[in-house]
Amino acid sequence: SQQGEEDPQALSIQEGENATMNCSYKTSINNLQWYRQNSGRGLVHLILIRSNEREKHSGRLRVTLDTSKKSSSLLITASRAADTASYFCATDPRRGTSYGKLTFGQGTILTVHP
Amino acid sequence: NAGVMQNPRHLVRRRGQEARLRCSPMKGHSHVYWYRQLPEEGLKFMVYLQKENIIDESGMPKERFSAEFPKEGPSILRIQQVVRGDSAAYFCASSTDIGYEQYFGPGTRLTVT
Repeated sequence: SQQGEEDPQALSIQEGENATMNCSYKTSINNLQWYRQNSGRGLVHLILIRSNEREKHSGRLRVTLDTSKKSSSLLITASRAADTASYFCATDPRRGTSYGKLTFGQGTILTVHP
Repeated sequence: NAGVMQNPRHLVRRRGQEARLRCSPMKGHSHVYWYRQLPEEGLKFMVYLQKENIIDESGMPKERFSAEFPKEGPSILRIQQVVRGDSAAYFCASSTDIGYEQYFGPGTRLTVT
């Protein structure tokens, strides 16, 4: 599997429910970033979590990082129809020749039904 | 503070023509990255530049593609003699420094006919 692989590929929920997306990666990282992309649009940066952090919050978003399992999760609480989008995790490798070169997963397509 | 600007938003080129894509980073950002998103795929890194320097171009196809980030003006991604397989969305991102948040522009959607 590729670096920065999201699970599930698609998620369909009702408004007000929580949505959890997972991301697994293979190599050591400096940080991991989550993005949202609405259909046909650019990417919106949601949150960055560094390798020495375990959890981070931003509004209705909660991101966790487990470097021992090389995985991260994004939780969106009290979802809204406007949260419907594709969500990507992107890993920034540790310092070295690939530093700064984000590797994206295939994304999770989230659909929130009103 | 304006975000990352890209233009044009849509570009149509015939096979064999040249495509020039422009990216102006966020104010205060001196690091620029280009990514390509092929249909139904995730984003793939192409090149990382700082002012007047290409830092990492390991994701760039060896031929026809070039990038620059001059001392003055936007970063340019240039594709010579475009082919149908170049049709994709090209995104530019910028950051204040390496290892920090990368903020993306709206992308340029290139269609080669």
